[in-house]
Amino acid sequence: QQQVKQSPQSLIVQKGGISIINCAYENTAFDYFPWYQQFPGKGPALLIAIRPDVSEKKEGRFTISFNKSAKQFSLHIMDSQPGDSATYFCAAPAGGTSYGKLTFGQGTILTVHP
Amino acid sequence: GAVVSQHPSRVICKSGTSVKIECRSLDFQATTMFWYRQFPKQSLMLMATSNEGSKATYEQGVEKDKFLINHASLTLSTLTVTSAHPEDSSFYICSARRAVGETQYFGPGTRLLVL
Repeated sequence: QQQVKQSPQSLIVQKGGISIINCAYENTAFDYFPWYQQFPGKGPALLIAIRPDVSEKKEGRFTISFNKSAKQFSLHIMDSQPGDSATYFCAAPAGGTSYGKLTFGQGTILTVHP
Repeated sequence: GAVVSQHPSRVICKSGTSVKIECRSLDFQATTMFWYRQFPKQSLMLMATSNEGSKATYEQGVEKDKFLINHASLTLSTLTVTSAHPEDSSFYICSARRAVGETQYFGPGTRLLVL
């Protein structure tokens, strides 16, 4: 069973700063590694995802860095804005005959101060 | 594209009653839908995986007779919480994907409160 460890649990950043959230997984990856953003009372929304054949993917202010040998991937939010304040979850394939199930990290509560 | 809806968004019911939650993929056909449960300030916990036309696969510790899942078409899955009790109060979220290896898209969630 895939385990995903996410850190930090909470993060406070000033507006314009860089937010960095890290995740580590245990088992070999197959599919992709997504990051989800969740606002209070809402379902998670896909933010950005990366496949294991690339080391970095950038979409606007959001970048995923992937280190396959270390089994780690991280989310960088550049020029963080108050509107980015939300809970962020990383996920990794559960592996085996999981039919594409995802295992989620514990979540990081990001607060961006104006 | 890739919009998933849930209905209702919020439901309050009395203990002992059954509640049905619908999950629909609005602009794509979902071969697989997933049902999650989320308690306040916690991560998403997968309850079951539902493939169209076949029985759902439940995660360890999830009672299949209590949480009935039906995936009758490629755009609709339902979760029925039978004989609901206050401890079943939670945020229930579904997700859907087109095919294996594809991204999961989540619905907006359903807040269930059992009195």
